[in-house]
Parts: sequence; C-alpha cells; structure tokens
Amino acid sequence: NAGVTQTPKFRILKIGQSMTLQCTQDMNHNYMYWYRQDPGMGLKLIYYSVGAGITDKGEVPNGYNVSRSTTEDFPLRLELAAPSQTSVYFCASRRDLVGSGNTIYFGEGSWLTVV
Amino acid sequence: AQKVTQAQTEISVVEKEDVTLDCVYETRDTTYYLFWYKQPPSGELVFLIRRNSFDEQNEISGRYSWNFQKSTSSFNFTITASQVVDSAVYFCALSEAGDSNYQLIWGAGTKLIIKP
Repeated sequence: NAGVTQTPKFRILKIGQSMTLQCTQDMNHNYMYWYRQDPGMGLKLIYYSVGAGITDKGEVPNGYNVSRSTTEDFPLRLELAAPSQTSVYFCASRRDLVGSGNTIYFGEGSWLTVV
Repeated sequence: AQKVTQAQTEISVVEKEDVTLDCVYETRDTTYYLFWYKQPPSGELVFLIRRNSFDEQNEISGRYSWNFQKSTSSFNFTITASQVVDSAVYFCALSEAGDSNYQLIWGAGTKLIIKP
C-alpha cells in the first residue's frame, strides 16, 4: 500500500534556488493538499486541489506554486527559496468530502532547509 | 469562526498512567467532522480517528478512547495504561460541511511525553 508518496524526504536549498517537491497518491483521491509545519507548530495549508486541473490557495500560498495535471500527482514548487520556507512539508489526499471517504491521509513529510 | 483549541501544550506522565488530551472546537455548522492525528518523533502523521457531528457515541480502540460531547464542544482523547511508544505530538482537527472544500482546521497540538 503506497498511499501518499513524497519526495525528497530531506533537502537543503540555498537562498534563491528553486525546487519541486513531488507528491503522488495511488488511491484515486480527488482532493489533494500541501501543508507546511514549522517547528513546534501545527499545520498550515499552502495549496489544495479538488481535482485534476483545479488548484486553489490555502492560508500561506506566497512563494509557492502548484499544478495538478493528473489525479495522481500534485507537485509543489518553491520559487526563489527563502529562509522563512524552512519547514516540514506534508502532502495529503482524501477521496471524498463526506462519509467514510473524507479521512485525510498524509505522506511521510519532506524536511526542507533553506540556508 | 471555526477554531480548534488544544490548551495543553505538553503533558508528561509516567508509563502506565492514564492520560487525557483535551480538544475544544468552535463551529457554526451543524455538520462537521473531527479528527485526531498522531505525530511520533519520526515525523509522519498517523490518522487515529474520525467522528462526524451526528455521532456522539464514544469510541474505544484498545487503550485509546475518545469522548465526543457536543454540549461542551469537546472531543477528548484518553490513553489508558500509557506506554513509552505513545510519546508523540497529538493533533485534533475540524472539517466543516459549510466549507465547500472541507479544509481541515488544526489545533496547535499536544506533546505527550511518557516516561519509563
């Protein structure tokens, strides 16, 4: 059971560099999310998608971009990395909004450090 | 406004003690979902339970139990006979039907330390 898979797990970026965090899920889930978690804090929503071709901003979208060309994949791109983007990033997905399918499942996280 | 409050920032108990993690939520919706997630030191987020607003029945799963009380807007989590492996940060979260995308609203988390 692969579930939600994120890569890379760890990455160090220099200020101003760009990179893409990959996320893929094999559960045919419509809804996908990117969260960031700063040390000792809860999760904040960066972007989300309700289906292929549809994305929308969450609480903290600045400095990030996403795309959803397929149901399975939801990459998160960091443009011009800044130290404030040092965080742990979680990708997540859910099948439905209601009922038993609305549980959100998370990837294992990607630890990003910007120096 | 929707909100999830986990007032206990950190709890430390000795192994085998019972411990309750509090979660209080605010919502205007009559249909909503509540969740608990566990984040062990390794960092992943593990789903523990989902409860919808129409189901106030308490749930027990092994040493874990959840007490959902709409009258007090609380969804507390109890670990009985705690073990060192229960050490983790535990998050409570809310998802409202009135939010067209049912985004999760997270509490700040409670760090649970179980001492041997």
